[in-house]
Amino acid sequence: AQSVAQPEDQVNVAEGNPLTVKCTYSVSGNPYLFWYVQYPNRGLQFLLKYITGDNLVKGSYGFEAEFNKSQTSFHLKKPSALVSDSALYFCAVRDMGNDYKLSFGAGTTVTVRA
Amino acid sequence: NAGVTQTPKFQVLKTGQSMTLQCAQDMNHNSMYWYRQDPGMGLRLIYYSASEGTTDKGEVPNGYNVSRLNKREFSLRLESAAPSQTSVYFCASSEQSYSGNTIYFGEGSWLTVV
Repeated sequence: AQSVAQPEDQVNVAEGNPLTVKCTYSVSGNPYLFWYVQYPNRGLQFLLKYITGDNLVKGSYGFEAEFNKSQTSFHLKKPSALVSDSALYFCAVRDMGNDYKLSFGAGTTVTVRA
Repeated sequence: NAGVTQTPKFQVLKTGQSMTLQCAQDMNHNSMYWYRQDPGMGLRLIYYSASEGTTDKGEVPNGYNVSRLNKREFSLRLESAAPSQTSVYFCASSEQSYSGNTIYFGEGSWLTVV
């Protein structure tokens, strides 16, 4: 069975400071990993994904994520947070051998204060 | 550049009423999905359609039915709504249902069952 854990319900940072949103996963095979962002009353927007290759993945809006196989983690990072980054962030995983099923974490609410 | 479009955006139903959520995508994707989002639970897959002419149950299919009308359209029907079906519903699509294909989401439908 595949699963995703986002250990922090909320993350609060000051504008201009680094932002990290944590994600760990469990799969039986090799993982495909995704990050999505959801603004209030909106749908989920795709940020980035890890399929294979370089462990550091760069995505939209200055976000990046690092795949760490030994720690089964895929943390989302941004070097300098903006107030507009305040949103709900979801990590998701698909087991390489598992059709269709994309499992989501419970989400982390990020608040960036001015 | 509409992407995934779903209607209605908001709906209030009485217990026992029926309704259909409509979804259409203009990205020529083969696979389509219906998810529900509940606080603290992330997104859970209700049904999916890997390709035109096929549909399959996801994690939480009870109380729902789906129709893949054509390649563009995938509807979700609640035959007899229950308060437990109060949720935010997201339609989504991807080029294929497997491997590293990115899933793209609609803006959501807020459903309240009283």
